[in-house]
Amino acid sequence: AQTVTQSQPEMSVQEAETVTLSCTYDTSENNYYLFWYKQPPSRQMILVIRQEAYKQQNATENRFSVNFQKAAKSFSLKISDSQLGDTAMYFCAFMKPRWDDDMRFGAGTRLTVKP
Amino acid sequence: DSGVTQTPKHLITATGQRVTLRCSPRSGDLSVYWYQQSLDQGLQFLIHYYNGEERAKGNILERFSAQQFPDLHSELNLSSLELGDSALYFCASSAGQGARGYGYTFGSGTRLTVV
Repeated sequence: AQTVTQSQPEMSVQEAETVTLSCTYDTSENNYYLFWYKQPPSRQMILVIRQEAYKQQNATENRFSVNFQKAAKSFSLKISDSQLGDTAMYFCAFMKPRWDDDMRFGAGTRLTVKP
Repeated sequence: DSGVTQTPKHLITATGQRVTLRCSPRSGDLSVYWYQQSLDQGLQFLIHYYNGEERAKGNILERFSAQQFPDLHSELNLSSLELGDSALYFCASSAGQGARGYGYTFGSGTRLTVV
């Protein structure tokens, strides 16, 4: 079974600074997909960024980027120029290519951006 | 608006009762997934339907059941409710096999409170 571990239950960062959230996963698969979802106080789950395991290039979406280390099974999220609106729970998620398999989530990291 | 519609947004009911949560997937999406999120915890996969057929089951209690109708909307039925069933229930949708890498689109959730 695939497991996703987020070892930082809570983190904080000053506005405009950079923060990195950690995620590790366990799988025997060679091809798979990884995601970071954001859950603000509204509770809506919002896709932040995604990475395909067979692509070595790290994904980037504006201020959000990932550091994907396939051999280490690590998938960290870097938020640059943190904004107050980035305050949220962040969930790392793993999914196999099998189309009838579900997405597995980590326990989440609560990020607070301080003014 | 994500395109995934969940109703009701909030539900308060007594122990022992039965409730039905409803989800309409994003237009064109054939897969519907149900997740449970207990207070400040990660998302636990319950069940997946694809085009009307059950595809996978997760940690779904026997008191819970679901179905997907010909118009692709889905219902999650929770019966003999207990206090511990209080949670946020998410529905998510995806296009299916060809769209695995794009992740899921989540609804805004139904907050169930059992008193």
